[in-house]
Amino acid sequence: EAGVTQFPSHSVIEKGQTVTLRCDPISGHDNLYWYRRVMGKEIKFLLHFVKESKQDESGMPNNRFLAERTGGTYSTLKVQPAELEDSGVYFCASSQDRAGQDYGYTFGSGTRLTVV
Amino acid sequence: GENVEQHPSTLSVQEGDSAVIKCTYSDSASNYFPWYKQELGKRPQLIIDIRSNVGEKKDQRIAVTLNKTAKHFSLHITETQPEDSAVYFCAASIYNYGQNFVFGPGTRLSVLP
Repeated sequence: EAGVTQFPSHSVIEKGQTVTLRCDPISGHDNLYWYRRVMGKEIKFLLHFVKESKQDESGMPNNRFLAERTGGTYSTLKVQPAELEDSGVYFCASSQDRAGQDYGYTFGSGTRLTVV
Repeated sequence: GENVEQHPSTLSVQEGDSAVIKCTYSDSASNYFPWYKQELGKRPQLIIDIRSNVGEKKDQRIAVTLNKTAKHFSLHITETQPEDSAVYFCAASIYNYGQNFVFGPGTRLSVLP
């Protein structure tokens, strides 16, 4: 089965520009998560979609970040305008929720964002 | 909310020796504890997990132990090999309809030949 795919793998943008990251989850996975790891620190939760609905967006740092998941398939995470502190690796993960079973996620390879 | 601490931040061992990474969590309601391995430039991959109704789980050279009373859990790797070199993340979560993990800061393990 295809894994979680993220695009682009790397992005270098200037402060103030806009960047859009994309995540294609494993087919059939209703749950999609965005995480990020900034400057070698812990992986932090950003938000969680169940199908096309935002289940929890408590980790979104501010209103410069906008996530969408139209149609409940792929998701995009837009940063506008980007700031230096947004640099890091943005991971997407998906899971198939089956009550009592298989709690694990499958992560994508991440998008390394560098804001200069 | 949940807070996960992880120690050590870096660990170097000789090939063939054992490695132990320890994590503590703060929320007694957490009931699922996965460990992820991230090799350089690759995605985090689940290597082992444990649920709160179990005290220990083993899979070949990897084992995880959980002490619910003390709220800590540990990853044990025996007979380490160079390919075990990676960053290891522990995490804690409360199962609900799609859970959100709280990760530890990671441990960079280096296995020296």
